[in-house]
Amino acid sequence: AQSVSQHNHHVILSEAASLELGCNYSYGGTVNLFWYVQYPGQHLQLLLKYFSGDPLVKGIKGFEAEFIKSKFSFNLRKPSVQWSDTAEYFCAVNSQGGKLIFGQGTELSVKP
Amino acid sequence: DARVTQTPRDKVTEMGQEVTMRCQPILGHNTVFWYRQTMMQGLELLAYFRNRAPLDDSGMPKDRFSAEMPDATLATLKIQPSEPRDSAVYFCASAPGGSNYGYTFGSGTRLTVV
Repeated sequence: AQSVSQHNHHVILSEAASLELGCNYSYGGTVNLFWYVQYPGQHLQLLLKYFSGDPLVKGIKGFEAEFIKSKFSFNLRKPSVQWSDTAEYFCAVNSQGGKLIFGQGTELSVKP
Repeated sequence: DARVTQTPRDKVTEMGQEVTMRCQPILGHNTVFWYRQTMMQGLELLAYFRNRAPLDDSGMPKDRFSAEMPDATLATLKIQPSEPRDSAVYFCASAPGGSNYGYTFGSGTRLTVV
């Protein structure tokens, strides 16, 4: 069965620090990969997605992610975080039939 | 911006009562998903539909939960009878023709069963 693993449950950073959130998936076939963000009390919003082509994907709000097929990874990065990036971040992979499987989420707290 | 609309936004009910949550997917999206979010379990896929037909509801407790799409503009998730352990935020999401484009999520229904 497909699964997604996010290594960090809670990350605390100061403003301007660099961010990298880990995501690994298990799925032997072709995958589409996603990162979603959920701000406090809000719904999930798509940050970025990877389908094919350039493994370095740029999303909204300065986020990017790199697909490394050999490592089954799709880590999210941002060079300099802001207080407004405080949120929960979810990695997801689609499986056959169109189901989107989510990781457990990583809560990011950015201190001003 | 097109959006997925969920109602009600919040629902508090007593154990044993029936609860119905509604979702209006984005016009033209033919795939609809129901997720449940809790602190303990994270995001769980309950069920999903394509072209109004249920494709997978294996994540849904069948004895008390039911999901339907009476028409292309309405999806419903019903719990009868409700239990305190059903307390969660229920999200609906829609997508055009599968997940390749990513899903658009609604604002969720926060259900509290007391």
